[in-house]
Amino acid sequence: DIQMTQSPSSLSASVGDRVTIACQASQDIRNYLNWYQQKPGKAPKLLIYDASNLETGVPSRFSGSGSGTDFSFTISSLQPEDIATYYCQHYDNVPLTFGGGTTVEIK
Amino acid sequence: QVHLVQSGVEVKKPGASVKVSCKASDYTFTNYGVSWVRQAPGQGLEWMGWISGDGGDTDYAQTFQGRVSMTTDTSTSTAYMELRSLRSDDTAVYYCARVSVTGTSALDYWGQGTLVTVSS
Repeated sequence: DIQMTQSPSSLSASVGDRVTIACQASQDIRNYLNWYQQKPGKAPKLLIYDASNLETGVPSRFSGSGSGTDFSFTISSLQPEDIATYYCQHYDNVPLTFGGGTTVEIK
Repeated sequence: QVHLVQSGVEVKKPGASVKVSCKASDYTFTNYGVSWVRQAPGQGLEWMGWISGDGGDTDYAQTFQGRVSMTTDTSTSTAYMELRSLRSDDTAVYYCARVSVTGTSALDYWGQGTLVTVSS
């Protein structure tokens, strides 16, 4: 199974800050990588698919990049409504696996 | 707008089974699959498996092999996930999510989640 390692596990930043989360796959997954946002008590929401494509309706301050084994997710200007846990997930093959999550808080 | 609506809260005793439903609407059910993902309290997301919309293909995570069954009813556009021999560590929120017809893609629409509590 492909292991997905996310870092950091949590971070605290100020409104307007640029925030970056890393995700590393245990083997080459090409660009088969998605990012989700989960707010407390809610289902995850797809933000980025195929490593860098913004899902329809998602604000442009969210972005993703990378290929192969190393990926990143960026919020260009953190907003109060971005408080959530973010997960990466590969889909190169089954089983699909998720990173451990990164909880983003406001400083 | 695509909707996935799941069945309600379940409370089960250890050793029992639970069957969670996921009713899809506003898309062609057989053109996609359904993945099931669970989340234990305070924990991350765990993929359980997926089923094609026509029910012809399934793939289960090794962790659940022998204990889980996923089925679909195309007449009602509903997917089901049954988990047997429940243990206390199966206590979690169970989500269904739409996936491509091959099972490998983004999970683009999610159900609201079903809390399953396993307790004696």
